[in-house]
Amino acid sequence: EIVMTQSPATLSVSPGERATLSCRASQSVIPHLAWYQQKPGQAPRLLIYGASTRASTIPARFSGSGSGTEFTLTISSLQSEDFAVYYCQQYNDWPLTFGGGTRVEIK
Amino acid sequence: EVQLLESGGGLVQPGGSLRLSCVASGFTFSSSAMTWVRQTPGEGLEWVSTLSGSGTSIYYADSVKGRFTISRDNSKNTLFLQMNSLRAEDTAVYYCAKKYALASHCLLDYWGQGTLVTVSS
Repeated sequence: EIVMTQSPATLSVSPGERATLSCRASQSVIPHLAWYQQKPGQAPRLLIYGASTRASTIPARFSGSGSGTEFTLTISSLQSEDFAVYYCQQYNDWPLTFGGGTRVEIK
Repeated sequence: EVQLLESGGGLVQPGGSLRLSCVASGFTFSSSAMTWVRQTPGEGLEWVSTLSGSGTSIYYADSVKGRFTISRDNSKNTLFLQMNSLRAEDTAVYYCAKKYALASHCLLDYWGQGTLVTVSS
């Protein structure tokens, strides 16, 4: 099983600032790495797939990068609607596995 | 517009059974692999099972293998999850999700709103 590890667990950021979230896989998953955003009481929403491709309707302030086992989600200028929990997930192999999440909160 | 609507959750005693349903619309259901993912407050997101569009390829997490059965009725655009021998650790919100049609692997692009399953005496 591929273990996904996210850091930090919580990130405190002021509106308008940049947020950088990290995700590490226990073995290479490239390019099958996705990022999801989840708000309270809602289902996860796909943000990024293929490590760096934005999903349909996702704003350009969200970007993904990385290769092999190290990945980053960057939110260039945090808006009020971006405060949420973010999960990375590998879909390279079975079982599909998720990271533990990073909560982005208002500083 | 893609819509996925889960139902069938509820309170069940340990050892009991429950059948979840997910009604899909807005895409060609019969061509799409479908997946169940669950979420618990303490454990985050956990993949449960995936079923191909034709129903010929099935995958289960080890934690549910032998107890849960995924199936589908393409004539009714509906995905099912039959859950038997339920345990307290199966308590979670269960989401159904569809595979992105253009992905070679099982990328989940749309998720339903989830249905809560509580296993408790």
